[in-house]
Amino acid sequence: DVKVTQSSRYLVKRTGEKVFLECVQDMDHENMFWYRQDPGLGLRLIYFSYDVKMKEKGDIPEGYSVSREKKERFSLILESASTNQTSMYLCASSLGVAEQYFGPGTRLTVT
Amino acid sequence: AQTVTQSQPEMSVQEAETVTLSCTYDTSESDYYLFWYKQPPSRQMILVIRQEAYKQQNATENRFSVNFQKAAKSFSLKISDSQLGDAAMYFCAYFTGTASKLTFGTGTRLQVTL
Repeated sequence: DVKVTQSSRYLVKRTGEKVFLECVQDMDHENMFWYRQDPGLGLRLIYFSYDVKMKEKGDIPEGYSVSREKKERFSLILESASTNQTSMYLCASSLGVAEQYFGPGTRLTVT
Repeated sequence: AQTVTQSQPEMSVQEAETVTLSCTYDTSESDYYLFWYKQPPSRQMILVIRQEAYKQQNATENRFSVNFQKAAKSFSLKISDSQLGDAAMYFCAYFTGTASKLTFGTGTRLQVTL
């Protein structure tokens, strides 16, 4: 079974802090994705990556950056966290057009 | 831009009954994929069912089936013999190679009652 893990289930950070969210998949998938999930808005794509060191902006990249130094790991970075970035963050991976496999999510609260 | 609309924020169904969740989408593409994902409370999102646009036959997975109406751009999910474990948030999603990303609807929260 594909396993996608995220570094934390719950995270509380202060405004202005630099925040790292890490995601690891164990199925050698080329594609990895970061979403944020907010009530009434569904899932919105922040960034995605089709290969190591490659990244593409999604629908809401402002305030975020990503890093993919190894195929299995995809990190989301909040350079200076703000309260409007309080949300659930979901990581996913996929192979080609096949379905995406999701991690358990990180609920981030910025105070 | 592609959009996916789920017009039912919440639905309720009694155990053992059938429920249909609706989804419509907007696209100018002819080749694409549609998905239904399930997110149980505090658990990981998992794929329920997948439909390729070029296939006329509706996809089925055990108690889950879809009604895919390509001309109407409609993709509803039918859950038969509902079980307590079906209670979850359900998301409809659209994928096309042109955009190379999934576009999700806003979700429908399904409650299953005894």
